[in-house]
Amino acid sequence: RKEVEQDPGPFNVPEGATVAFNCTYSNSASQSFFWYRQDCRKEPKLLMSVYSSGNEDGRFTAQLNRASQYISLLIRDSKLSDSATYLCVVNGGTNAGNNRKLIWGLGTSLAVNP
Amino acid sequence: EAQVTQNPRYLITVTGKKLTVTCSQNMNHEYMSWYRQDPGLGLRQIYYSMNVEVTDKGDVPEGYKVSRKEKRNFPLILESPSPNQTSLYFCASRAGGGQQTQYFGPGTRLLVL
Repeated sequence: RKEVEQDPGPFNVPEGATVAFNCTYSNSASQSFFWYRQDCRKEPKLLMSVYSSGNEDGRFTAQLNRASQYISLLIRDSKLSDSATYLCVVNGGTNAGNNRKLIWGLGTSLAVNP
Repeated sequence: EAQVTQNPRYLITVTGKKLTVTCSQNMNHEYMSWYRQDPGLGLRQIYYSMNVEVTDKGDVPEGYKVSRKEKRNFPLILESPSPNQTSLYFCASRAGGGQQTQYFGPGTRLLVL
């Protein structure tokens, strides 16, 4: 089983749609979770951290389910500019060395169509 | 402006010709790392550095070297590049103290013939 797994997509949705991505992780000791966004041929950029209680930033909502070991990203009212690849990132666990290591999913591709 | 810079952005070279990709950050970050990104394999860490003169191997260190003589700079050295090192390379930095948000450079596209 991969350490971090994502559905690669692509997800093709119309403008205004709501879309959700899930990401599963294998290390139950992981403590930090993130969603990054990567535009084609550009560098990844932090979209949002994921907190235990769930968190929202405008149209974006992130949730964590520790029992089932997955995190999710919900995008409401999709815009054309949301088209990108969304990378799930999880830290390596609570050991001193692993806590610093980030494990990256392969990404989920989203295309928002007019 | 807080940023991570990389140079060159694009490079075509031939097998065996030593090259260096520079990386510099102006945020006084302790932690820096190099990744390569390949289709179907995602981002893989090559080397990382927790501070000046402290470096360690990531997941795919073979064929690469790094150095961290100053806090702001973290060059990636390919002593004898091979075609399987053709890739998109990213440098990243983050603050220490448990802060894990990474800031990436714009990437370097390398083609080794």
